[in-house]
Amino acid sequence: SAVISQKPSRDICQRGTSLTIQCQVDSQVTMMFWYRQQPGQSLTLIATANQGSEATYESGFVIDKFPISRPNLTFSTLTVSNMSPEDSSIYLCSVGVGLRETQYFGPGTRLLVL
Amino acid sequence: AQSVTQLDSQVPVFEEAPVELRCNYSSSVSVYLFWYVQYPNQGLQLLLKYLSGSTLVKGINGFEAEFNKSQTSFHLRKPSVHISDTAEYFCAVSGGNNQGGKLIFGQGTELSVKP
Repeated sequence: SAVISQKPSRDICQRGTSLTIQCQVDSQVTMMFWYRQQPGQSLTLIATANQGSEATYESGFVIDKFPISRPNLTFSTLTVSNMSPEDSSIYLCSVGVGLRETQYFGPGTRLLVL
Repeated sequence: AQSVTQLDSQVPVFEEAPVELRCNYSSSVSVYLFWYVQYPNQGLQLLLKYLSGSTLVKGINGFEAEFNKSQTSFHLRKPSVHISDTAEYFCAVSGGNNQGGKLIFGQGTELSVKP
C-alpha cells in the first residue's frame, strides 16, 4: 500500500479565485490520479498524471480549468482555476501500486466555493 | 466501455445482522474489481480486490466478496455487521493496464447500521 497526504484538508474560497491542492505519497509511484466527488455523489476521474509526461484529462475536464503538475515520483498538484460554486466538491488524489496498479486514496480536500 | 451499477443506494440493517451490497459491472475486457469504503468526512479505504485466482476474496473488517463472471457481479457480504460499519461503500472496476489503471466507480451504497 501507500501513505498519501493532501493539503489543504479543506478550504472555503471566493468565486473567481484559484486553489492549488497538493498530494504527497511516501514512496515513488508511476501513476497518480485526481478525482472529484461532488456532494452526495460518486467519484469521477479528472485526469491521470504520470511523471515526465503531460496529464491525460477525461472527457469534460480541461487543462485550463484543472492544471496539474507532476514534478517527481512522489508529488503532484491539482489547481482548480477561476472557481465557481459548482466546483464545491471533495478532490481526491490516488496512486497506483503494484503490478496491477491497485489504487490507494488520499484523505481528500473538501472545497467550498462561495 | 466499462460501467458499474450498484443496485441499492441505501441499505439499512440492524446490528449483528448479515448484509449484502450488490454490484454488477459491464466490460468487454477482463477486469479487476474493487470495493472501497468511505467513512464520514474521510477518504476512500480499500476493503478488498479481485485481480485473478480464487473468486471468493476476503478483505478487511470481516468483509468478503465473490466474483461471478457469468453474472458479471461482485457482491460484498458480511455475516454480522457492527455500528462502526456505517459508511458509504463503492464498487469499482478497472481494465488493468490496458485501460491505464483508470477506475470506474458505481454510485455508491450507503450502509446504515442501527442498534
